[in-house]
Amino acid sequence: EVQLLESGGGLVQPGGSLTISCAASGFTFNTYAMNWVRQAPGKGLEWVSTINFSGDTTYYADSVKGRFTISRDNSKNTVFLQMNNLRVEDTAIYYCAKVHITSPRTYDCWGQGTPVTVSS
Amino acid sequence: QSALTQPPSASGSPGQSVTISCSGTSSDVGGYNSVSWYQQHPGKAPKLMIYGVTQRPSGVPDRFSGSKSGYTASLTVSGLQAEDAADYYCSSYAGSNSFVVFGGGTKLTVL
Repeated sequence: EVQLLESGGGLVQPGGSLTISCAASGFTFNTYAMNWVRQAPGKGLEWVSTINFSGDTTYYADSVKGRFTISRDNSKNTVFLQMNNLRVEDTAIYYCAKVHITSPRTYDCWGQGTPVTVSS
Repeated sequence: QSALTQPPSASGSPGQSVTISCSGTSSDVGGYNSVSWYQQHPGKAPKLMIYGVTQRPSGVPDRFSGSKSGYTASLTVSGLQAEDAADYYCSSYAGSNSFVVFGGGTKLTVL
């Protein structure tokens, strides 16, 4: 069974930093691109970042470019999102999502999410 | 403001059919056959219901179907059941700069 388990969320002050993680199991992790998608309170879904299977290609939404860094450790089946210079508007539940095997812009498995609150 | 436009709400009675639209542009919905639909119950993670415009993942009831015409994609839920009440989000590939864009979501109510 495919499982994604996010961790590391919490409360951080504006301008602060936080790194969240997503531990994967139940599939061949090093053959799939991985993604972070967030959802602000009461709002819709927003794609944040994607990393390819090997970790050498990354993509970012304009809203986080230059502040967030996605990375992965294929030896530990884990993907990370390092978030710097956090803003109040970054407050959201952050979901880790796996791409579909035949449709790489589709997310066929999601974690339960980890909440990030940016507030003073 | 979301990149894709969905109606904020939709409703239907049990057994009826309801269609939710998702409008985009030539840069996303109209340019690629990469539209997906996700179902999200309150407090839960999204669940993939449709991908590649019309494809249904294993385990998703065939009451759920997808289509696309021009710049607008649609999700149809036939034979509505109480458990179909949820928020539904569409998404589309939008090229290497914008990558994936989502709609604002539609709250489906089963009357």
